[in-house]
Amino acid sequence: DAGVIQSPRHEVTEMGQEVTLRCKPISGHDYLFWYRQTMMRGLELLIYFNNNVPIDDSGMPEDRFSAKMPNASFSTLKIQPSEPRDSAVYFCASSRSVDSNQPQHFGDGTRLSIL
Amino acid sequence: AQKVTQAQTEISVVEKEDVTLDCVYETRDTTYYLFWYKQPPSGELVFLIRRNSFDEQNEISGRYSWNFQKSTSSFNFTITASQVVDSAVYFCALSVVSNDYKLSFGAGTTVTVRA
Repeated sequence: DAGVIQSPRHEVTEMGQEVTLRCKPISGHDYLFWYRQTMMRGLELLIYFNNNVPIDDSGMPEDRFSAKMPNASFSTLKIQPSEPRDSAVYFCASSRSVDSNQPQHFGDGTRLSIL
Repeated sequence: AQKVTQAQTEISVVEKEDVTLDCVYETRDTTYYLFWYKQPPSGELVFLIRRNSFDEQNEISGRYSWNFQKSTSSFNFTITASQVVDSAVYFCALSVVSNDYKLSFGAGTTVTVRA
């Protein structure tokens, strides 16, 4: 079975540019999560969706960040405009549910560098 | 509030030694789930195990074993006869109903297994 698929694996861009990260969850999973991993703050939940609807975006750092899930098989995380402090690894994860002991399965991550 | 503490930042062992990773959690919820994830040098996050708060049975999977003790709020992870391929960062995580089952990660423990 295909796991969570993220693209691109690596992204290097200059500050001020728009960055779009993409995620395809595991088929049949109703929940999708976006995380950010940095040395200073570890793994942080940014936002999560249930059945394509954003449920909790309290972890989104600021208005420059936005996330969408137009259908069950695709989600995007967008940063506009990007800043050097946005440099991090961004993970997407999906799960069948959250309240029945189902684990979240993570993609390989996108390593983002903002110059 | 819920919290996961992994007090060991780094552990270095020689191949074939056993290594135990500590995880201490805090929550007021009576229903909660505990997880371990592995992050090898390639960067992906790999799910290893989940345990719910009502199941205190220890578990063994090959060279991996987990010791869950509610009395000490601990969920420790032991790698027996470590191998170089076990070198990775290991994360303990907690999800509770009062936090909508969102995963709270510990800071991670970096394990280095030397040949």
